[in-house]
Amino acid sequence: EIVLTQSPGTLSLSPGERATLSCRASQSVSSNKLAWYQQKPGQAPRLLIYDTSSRATAIPDRFSGSGSGTDFTLTISRLEPEDFAVYYCLQYGGSPRTFGRGIQVEIK
Amino acid sequence: EVQLVESGGGLVQPGGSLRLSCAASRFPFSTYWMSWVRQAPGKGLEWVANINQDGGEKYYVDSVKGRFTISRDNAKNSLDLQMNSLRAEDTAVYYCATDSYGVFDYWGRGTLVTVSS
Repeated sequence: EIVLTQSPGTLSLSPGERATLSCRASQSVSSNKLAWYQQKPGQAPRLLIYDTSSRATAIPDRFSGSGSGTDFTLTISRLEPEDFAVYYCLQYGGSPRTFGRGIQVEIK
Repeated sequence: EVQLVESGGGLVQPGGSLRLSCAASRFPFSTYWMSWVRQAPGKGLEWVANINQDGGEKYYVDSVKGRFTISRDNAKNSLDLQMNSLRAEDTAVYYCATDSYGVFDYWGRGTLVTVSS
């Protein structure tokens, strides 16, 4: 099973700042099959990025993904108030599919 | 817009059973793989089970194998999860989700299952 380690656990930033979220895999993720989700309290996760860098439908271009192999990054270029949430990475290149533990992006 | 509505959650004693359902609408349900994903209170996400379009392929996370059964009824646009021999560690919000090439793209709002005496 591929273990995903997300860091930092919490990111304290101000609106307008850049957020860089890391997701590291315990082994190489096949075909860079890595996705990112956003979850707000009491809501279901929302797909942001799939295949490492492809934005899902209706996701603003301030969200971008990059990486390969074992190291992946989600970047939010300028934080908007609605971006403060928990972010999870998911690998779907190996079985079973596994999620990271999440990164809380909070208002500083 | 895709709509997924889960139901059937509740409080159940350890060793008990519960059946979850997910009503799907506004998309061609019969053409999608479907999954159940759960989230323990205050914890992260865990894929539980998935099923292919005609119900002939089913996969489960090791921790639920032999206890949970996923099924679907394409005529009714519904997805089910039969959960037997429930344990405290099964306590979670259970989400149904569309499963496209390995990615969970659309999710319901979830239903809470609490296993406690």
